[in-house]
Amino acid sequence: DTEVTQTPKHLVMGMTNKKSLKCEQHMGHRAMYWYKQKAKKPPELMFVYSYEKLSINESVPSRFSPECPNSSLLNLHLHALQPEDSALYLCASSQSGLQYFGPGTRLTVT
Amino acid sequence: RKEVEQDPGPFNVPEGATVAFNCTYSNSASQSFFWYRQDCRKEPKLLMSVYSSGNEDGRFTAQLNRASQYISLLIRDSKLSDSATYLCVVAYNTDKLIFGTGTRLQVFP
Repeated sequence: DTEVTQTPKHLVMGMTNKKSLKCEQHMGHRAMYWYKQKAKKPPELMFVYSYEKLSINESVPSRFSPECPNSSLLNLHLHALQPEDSALYLCASSQSGLQYFGPGTRLTVT
Repeated sequence: RKEVEQDPGPFNVPEGATVAFNCTYSNSASQSFFWYRQDCRKEPKLLMSVYSSGNEDGRFTAQLNRASQYISLLIRDSKLSDSATYLCVVAYNTDKLIFGTGTRLQVFP
């Protein structure tokens, strides 16, 4: 089973709202990731957690705040987003270099 | 120069055709190589890892040429369900993947 789950599937939020994206995996993978994907573009890495510690932050604006409560869960807290932040947000987990993606949250910022 | 380059296509091929995609990467320190497939409005799915010795999975064959920094994917006997975007992916370490822009394949009846 290589399932990564994400909630919600769709999210519409205003620029003053605070919301959170959630990701879960039960494969015992040590690393979890957040990616952002715009239409017709490849995924762009945002954050990597390895053994529940933030190991990579790709210079992401502070309005995106990741959190890893435990080895199975990864959250992305959103605050004061801009319309250009509208995109598909993908979570992934990996073990031994193979990454598996969740279905994503399609975010629209109005 | 982009770190991972692919021909964006689209490649329009009839069912049953053989089609090949190529990809080049710029960093010779790259360690791992993959092909992912992504359907419209869906997440990328791992298709296969790529090794210097070449590897085959059914109708799909992937090859890596480290000297030329070149990766290929061959699809034989194309099916309608193969229509998707194929992403060439390179990793410098086990955590950071670099994605190519993808090659779009459309298989028609």
